[in-house]
Amino acid sequence: DVKVTQSSRYLVKRTGEKVFLECVQDMDHENMFWYRQDPGLGLRLIYFSYDVKMKEKGDIPEGYSVSREKKERFSLILESASTNQTSMYLCASRHGQNYGYTFGSGTRLTVV
Amino acid sequence: QQQVKQSPQSLIVQKGGISIINCAYENTAFDYFPWYQQFPGKGPALLIAIRPDVSEKKEGRFTISFNKSAKQFSLHIMDSQPGDSATYFCAASMETYKYIFGTGTRLKVLA
Repeated sequence: DVKVTQSSRYLVKRTGEKVFLECVQDMDHENMFWYRQDPGLGLRLIYFSYDVKMKEKGDIPEGYSVSREKKERFSLILESASTNQTSMYLCASRHGQNYGYTFGSGTRLTVV
Repeated sequence: QQQVKQSPQSLIVQKGGISIINCAYENTAFDYFPWYQQFPGKGPALLIAIRPDVSEKKEGRFTISFNKSAKQFSLHIMDSQPGDSATYFCAASMETYKYIFGTGTRLKVLA
């Protein structure tokens, strides 16, 4: 069974901390995505990557960066966590543009 | 023009009834319209998808109806069951790598 694995289900971090969210997929997918999910706002794209070492900004990239050094791993970095980054973060991958996304189970991040 | 508008925000249906969720888009370049189902504590999972060259696609109790001229598409869940209680997201994409998601509909099916 194909999988997208997010390293943490729940995280609590302090304001100003640097936070790393990790995502690994075992499907040899080219495309990977980071979304945040907030009530009433749906899924908003933070960053995506269509290949190793490639990255593009999504709709809400401010305060975030990403790293994709290997095909299977896509990391989201909060450079200096703030309370307005408290959210559910979802990683997804896709084989190509004609295929659906496979999502991970999400990381619920609380910044205090 | 990049938005996908989804309604209703929440929906309560009796067991055995029909659940209907609607989405509307503006950009006529969109060419792929998936629906995702999300249970609490889980990531969204692809449920069913349609391309604009067909007006309807059915998979079991789930049907997408697509109206190209009105730029609308909808998800119909026939014989709704309590196990269908989840949040549903529509989405649209074109020949790029990213989807535009709707804001989600929380469905509750009463036993």
